Amino acid sequence: DQQVKQNSPSLSVQEGRISILNCDYTNSMFDYFLWYKKYPAEGPTFLISISSIKDKNEDGRFTVFLNKSAKHLSLHIVPSQPGDSAVYFCAAARRITGGGNKLTFGTGTQLKVEL
Amino acid sequence: EPEVTQTPSHQVTQMGQEVILRCVPISNHLYFYWYRQILGQKVEFLVSFYNNEISEKSEIFDDQFSVERPDGSNFTLKIRSTKLEDSAMYFCASSGQGTGEAFFGQGTRLTVV
Repeated sequence: DQQVKQNSPSLSVQEGRISILNCDYTNSMFDYFLWYKKYPAEGPTFLISISSIKDKNEDGRFTVFLNKSAKHLSLHIVPSQPGDSAVYFCAAARRITGGGNKLTFGTGTQLKVEL
Repeated sequence: EPEVTQTPSHQVTQMGQEVILRCVPISNHLYFYWYRQILGQKVEFLVSFYNNEISEKSEIFDDQFSVERPDGSNFTLKIRSTKLEDSAMYFCASSGQGTGEAFFGQGTRLTVV
């Protein structure tokens, strides 16, 4: 199942600089796209989402961009902080008949923010 | 801040035994889910549950799996006869109406020996 792909397994960025994490998808039927952050031995923590009808959503240091024609989304973190070091998962949500959403996850990108 | 809680954090069981993984979703959420992550693989959807019934399940969720909301607060995943390949992190999640985001618990690491 390759519906959601994160082609970069890892990314290293200096503190204070911008981190850009990328995600591609193949199915045009997704309703929302989400980014989750995960530390070892913890569950995914929701960061930010974007509706499929929008192209940008911003929340503090986090901005998600959606390019529907390219089936591509990206997460920008600026400025990056050492506490941002974690695995970042892209997920795509499809509404379930009767309610709720099914999330399809990418493989994750390990972000390391260095001092 | 409300959170999803899961117990136990780690469960070791012998192949063929039944296990029950427990979750307390966020109290005003309506939709409940189980996901799992086999070591080195993606987080994958197992099942969604709404209004006391399964609303969608994946191919993984075969007859060995069942879910229940026995008392209005707990949400459980039962695996009737565990196999070695059931070893994984199991995440419970819940969501309210609207924007697609699900909130995950910290996970239960299931090890089948």
